Amino acid sequence: GIQVEQSPPDLILQEGANSTLRCNFSDSVNNLQWFHQNPWGQLINLFYIPSGTKQNGRLSATTVATERYSLLYISSSQTTDSGVYFCAVRGYSSASKIIFGSGTRLSIRP
Amino acid sequence: SQTIHQWPATLVQPVGSPLSLECTVEGTSNPNLYWYRQAAGRGLQLLFYSVGIGQISSEVPQNLSASRPQDRQFILSSKKLLLSDSGFYLCAYAAGLNTEAFFGQGTRLTVV
Repeated sequence: GIQVEQSPPDLILQEGANSTLRCNFSDSVNNLQWFHQNPWGQLINLFYIPSGTKQNGRLSATTVATERYSLLYISSSQTTDSGVYFCAVRGYSSASKIIFGSGTRLSIRP
Repeated sequence: SQTIHQWPATLVQPVGSPLSLECTVEGTSNPNLYWYRQAAGRGLQLLFYSVGIGQISSEVPQNLSASRPQDRQFILSSKKLLLSDSGFYLCAYAAGLNTEAFFGQGTRLTVV
């Protein structure tokens, strides 16, 4: 099945810093999402981005489907950005399954 | 609008007891439905998914089962819980193949 790898696994930054999170996937995908899991465990939808670039405030994401990766950018980090960021994909061969990467744990220090 | 409800939020059960977690979706028909489990500090493991009533695909052999008795209802069950069944269980839905998935609030299960 499709494999999803996220890097880095952990990231510690000072408030105000910028960061880039990466998601690599092993096969073609028709669906890619970024989520933020808050300290209470809730998964918050950030982007639905099977290809192209999207921006929402301080966050933006880019997916290059032909090269099998996606990037999540966080600018001017705030302490509320802390948590785990997950990438999740659906492949063409088994389009119903949603496969998650192992996540990037982001800690923003005040 | 579409919403997803999952309950209970927390559950403490003794080893060997049965389990039933329920998830319901409103505002969409024939959604794809999913159950995930997350161990402490770990990623999300896909347990079951369903593309229609009575259609269940199992991803991981285990002590759990799933059922979809109605179009927008997905139930996760166990006849006898094990300590290793402890974790955070999340239900999700997607309206179609090329749409976003949305998650419920999760159930934190502790087996004692």
